[in-house]
Amino acid sequence: GQNIDQPTEMTATEGAIVQINCTYQTSGFNGLFWYQQHAGEAPTFLSYNVLDGLEEKGRFSSFLSRSKGYSYLLLKELQMKDSASYLCAGVIKAAGNKLTFGGGTRVLVKP
Amino acid sequence: DGGITQSPKYLFRKEGQNVTLSCEQNLNHDAMYWYRQDPGQGLRLIYYSQIVNDFQKGDIAEGYSVSREKKESFPLTVTSAQKNPTAFYLCASSTGDKNIQYFGAGTRLSVL
Repeated sequence: GQNIDQPTEMTATEGAIVQINCTYQTSGFNGLFWYQQHAGEAPTFLSYNVLDGLEEKGRFSSFLSRSKGYSYLLLKELQMKDSASYLCAGVIKAAGNKLTFGGGTRVLVKP
Repeated sequence: DGGITQSPKYLFRKEGQNVTLSCEQNLNHDAMYWYRQDPGQGLRLIYYSQIVNDFQKGDIAEGYSVSREKKESFPLTVTSAQKNPTAFYLCASSTGDKNIQYFGAGTRLSVL
């Protein structure tokens, strides 16, 4: 199967940096998505990595290593509003661009 | 405004009843998807459709049915065969090379 693993929960302090890791089986996936989901709301798109390396978008960056089956999402200068779940998802283009999601990492930002 | 509209926001199902969740998009997206999310968990794919009049089963299709008669609409029916329907249901659509999926606000289904 196409398993995606990420930590269940992380806690960090306002203004700090947090790195959320995501590991997956190396076969099958054509790219990695990261979504943010506040409690009770729909996921919103954060980033998409299809090539190895770091993609930076303001306070958020995402990294991908296809050979290692590894990705991370880096959140800098944490704000209270960043308290949410962060979902890692692999995409299989040959299968209608199906997304396979990890269980999500709940990040709690404390003052 | 362009977007994905799901209705209703909350839905209650009686024992043995079929219920239909609506998903409409005015983004002119080709592909549409239905996911189920249980508390504290990730999303699981129920059904998806890449073009009108065509759809495929996802990972947990049993007890669900869909139709795609129009590009804008992809309704999901939760049948009485789905014995544990209580969950948060999310509809998404995508298009283009990157096929970024954009989500509706969701429908929360509970059993009476």
